[in-house]
Amino acid sequence: GENVEQHPSTLSVQEGDSAVIKCTYSDSASNYFPWYKQELGKGPQLIIDIRSNVGEKKDQRIAVTLNKTAKHFSLHITETQPEDSAVYFCAASYRDDKIIFGKGTRLHILP
Amino acid sequence: KAGVTQTPRYLIKTRGQQVTLSCSPISGHRSVSWYQQTPGQGLQFLFEYFSETQRNKGNFPGRFSGRQFSNSRSEMNVSTLELGDSALYLCASSWDGLNTEAFFGQGTRLTVV
Repeated sequence: GENVEQHPSTLSVQEGDSAVIKCTYSDSASNYFPWYKQELGKGPQLIIDIRSNVGEKKDQRIAVTLNKTAKHFSLHITETQPEDSAVYFCAASYRDDKIIFGKGTRLHILP
Repeated sequence: KAGVTQTPRYLIKTRGQQVTLSCSPISGHRSVSWYQQTPGQGLQFLFEYFSETQRNKGNFPGRFSGRQFSNSRSEMNVSTLELGDSALYLCASSWDGLNTEAFFGQGTRLTVV
């Protein structure tokens, strides 16, 4: 069925360290994988996305990797800063172009 | 340009009542999707509208319905409210809904008492 698993549910990292969030999806036909950041009281905001024809994409301190064989994709945030504290959601498109979200990772950046 | 606007921001309703939520997408966007966000279940897809037609639907009961107008504005309606319908309802707009960047509104917080 349509499913996106996201781990961990909570992540605490020291400021300046890296954070990694991992997701798996179930539909081999999925071809679009966006990542969203949600701050308190706000709607989710797209921070980076990747399509199935590339294996990695980077935007400043944020990178996403995709392994289509394993149906696995990850978000990497380097040199974390206090403003990175938020809830992060991964998502995957499905055959009928629905976007299915993971359950989110609450990221805490420790001073 | 203006972002996605959802009204109202907060609502308190009683069990058994019905409610209508509104979403104005970004100008030029023709796809509007609705999601229910709860602490335990995350973001769950309700339905997507494109050019006034429902194109996709999630696994929610028939009490949840929606529509889209010719100016792309969308409404969702929940009838016979249940306590479990308490959630943040988010809408997202995109140009065509086909795996393109979606922009979310701030949501409507619905509390059913």
